[in-house]
Amino acid sequence: NAGVTQTPKFQVLKTGQSMTLQCAQDMNHNSMYWYRQDPGMGLRLIYYSASEGTTDKGEVPNGYNVSRLNKREFSLRLESAAPSQTSVYFCASSEQTGGAWEQYFGPGTRLTVT
Amino acid sequence: AQSVTQLGSHVSVSEGALVLLRCNYSSSVPPYLFWYVQYPNQGLQLLLKYTTGATLVKGINGFEAEFKKSETSFHLTKPSAHMSDAAEYFCAVSDSGLSGGSNYKLTFGKGTLLTVNP
Repeated sequence: NAGVTQTPKFQVLKTGQSMTLQCAQDMNHNSMYWYRQDPGMGLRLIYYSASEGTTDKGEVPNGYNVSRLNKREFSLRLESAAPSQTSVYFCASSEQTGGAWEQYFGPGTRLTVT
Repeated sequence: AQSVTQLGSHVSVSEGALVLLRCNYSSSVPPYLFWYVQYPNQGLQLLLKYTTGATLVKGINGFEAEFKKSETSFHLTKPSAHMSDAAEYFCAVSDSGLSGGSNYKLTFGKGTLLTVNP
């Protein structure tokens, strides 16, 4: 199993450009998440999808949109990139084990907006 | 609402010394607690978790953590540090769901960078 995969690994955008970050998981998990990681800020939830067909805002959704394409795939779109969106983006999926939802993370996408 | 405070953004220990990374949480409902580790340029991996039952939980790579409800703490320890333990560690909390809430979202602390000196 590949687990959670993300593409691309690195991306440089100019202010105002758009792009979509792709995420796929092969573990048959229902729930998927998008986080951003900034130095000294930990991980902050952007959007999540509790199950196929549903999406909800997290802590920092402004400037982003998501699509839960099917059970495997959950994409994150930046419509008009801003320098404040320079960050490392992580996708995760989760399953319930012993009552708790364990999250499995992808390797991340490093995005720089100039 | 839930929150996590990790005391110390950077902890430095000598190889072979005790590792202690501190985590305090705030939760209005019974929590589930997690520790994740992030090695350089990688995603996060689960080290251990507390759900219910035994309050001392053991994880991978010799780490363990103790849930202390009275102190709202979930500190991570390892008796003897190894160079390969150098990484960033994140404490996280979720709703247990035992009070009817949803528990698939995690709230993370800001992380503690562990440096191990030879």
